Amino acid sequence: QLQLQESGPGLVKPSETLSLTCTVSGGSITNSSYYWGWIRQPPGKGLEWIGNIYYSGSTHYKPSLESRVTISVDTSKDQFSLKLSSVTAADTAMYYCASDSRVIAFGGGPFDYWGQGTLVTVSS
Amino acid sequence: EIVMTQSPATLSVSPGERATLSCRASQIVSINLAWYQQKPGQAPRLLLYGASTRATGIPARFSGSGSGTEFTLTISSLQSEDFAVYYCQQYYNWPQTFGQGTKLEIK
Repeated sequence: QLQLQESGPGLVKPSETLSLTCTVSGGSITNSSYYWGWIRQPPGKGLEWIGNIYYSGSTHYKPSLESRVTISVDTSKDQFSLKLSSVTAADTAMYYCASDSRVIAFGGGPFDYWGQGTLVTVSS
Repeated sequence: EIVMTQSPATLSVSPGERATLSCRASQIVSINLAWYQQKPGQAPRLLLYGASTRATGIPARFSGSGSGTEFTLTISSLQSEDFAVYYCQQYYNWPQTFGQGTKLEIK
């Protein structure tokens, strides 16, 4: 069974870059036709999709974040990463990584495995 | 961007009763819709995909219906562990979008 674990700084200063890594275990990040995604949840609010990366490296991003977001894959470490630049307090959220193992539609598929999440606070 | 609207925002139901949650898409998404359950302090859990297919290990009391723009999640006989927040998500097209959630609380 696939397991995902987020890691990265819990505190980021305004205007800096938020960097998170998701480590995948129980399977290889390149051996399956999966999408790997990032989703965030501000405190007390709902889920917001950030973006996905396909095992081949192609990406899709939320349009309102696209100018600040980069998702990449490190196949040697079975990890994928999120970078969000020029952060503000509005980027304070729980950040989840997740996998889509079905990819059953043009827009990908449902997220069937999730990490436990990591809280990132943007503050000086 | 496809906007997903869930109703009601909060639903109060007694244990053992049936709960019906709704999700509406601003454009046709066919059956490319998923439902998630989230409990406090936990990551979301996939319940249903393809509008009506239960994910692995999900009890039969959870069922989904709908296609196009109107979808329903039904929990047939509420158990104590079912009180949580429920989200719908469309993956018909990019960007993927979530509804704002329905909180299912004990009446």
